[in-house]
Amino acid sequence: EVQLVESGGGLVQPGGSLRLSCTTSGFTFSNYAMSWVRQAPGKGLEWVSTISGRVNNTYYADSVKGRFTISRDNSKTTLLLQLNSLRAEDTAIYYCAKHDTWTKDAFNVWGQGTMVTVSS
Amino acid sequence: QSVLTQPPSVSAAPGQKVTISCSGSTSNIGNNYVSWYQQLPGTAPKLLIYDNDRRPSGIPDRFSGSKSGTSATLGITGLQTGDEADYYCGTWSSSLSGWVFGGGTRLTVL
Repeated sequence: EVQLVESGGGLVQPGGSLRLSCTTSGFTFSNYAMSWVRQAPGKGLEWVSTISGRVNNTYYADSVKGRFTISRDNSKTTLLLQLNSLRAEDTAIYYCAKHDTWTKDAFNVWGQGTMVTVSS
Repeated sequence: QSVLTQPPSVSAAPGQKVTISCSGSTSNIGNNYVSWYQQLPGTAPKLLIYDNDRRPSGIPDRFSGSKSGTSATLGITGLQTGDEADYYCGTWSSSLSGWVFGGGTRLTVL
């Protein structure tokens, strides 16, 4: 069974940093593109970032470009998201999502999410 | 303001049929596959439809998808109270080099 488990969320002050992890199991992690998608309280889904499989191409939403960094550790089958220079508008549930295979393929498995709250 | 446009809400009675539209442009829906996601209250999104009209295993055939030009549609027949959820369309945007979602549609089964 494919499983994605996010961790690392919490309360952080504006301008602070946080590192999110997504521990995966049940599939050959290195073969699949992975993404982060967030959802602010009471709002819709917002794509954040994607990293491709083997060649590790990365893509970012304009709202996080230059502040967030996506990476993956294939040996630990873990997806990471480094969040820097956090703002109040980054407050959201952050979901880890697996693509069917490639970057443009649908998100076929989602984690349960981890909450990030940016507030003083 | 979402790149893809969905109606904020739709409603219908149990057993009836409902459709949810998703409108985009040539740089997103027009040249890429559309997927649909169901988000039940308090839970993570779940894939309902991929590649415009394909259902993952385990998704009942009450759910269907279609695409024409720069618009896509999700159809749900035989509505059940358990179908009450938020529904999102999504696709790759060639111009943005990233994914875009619709604003979501809340389905109420009266």
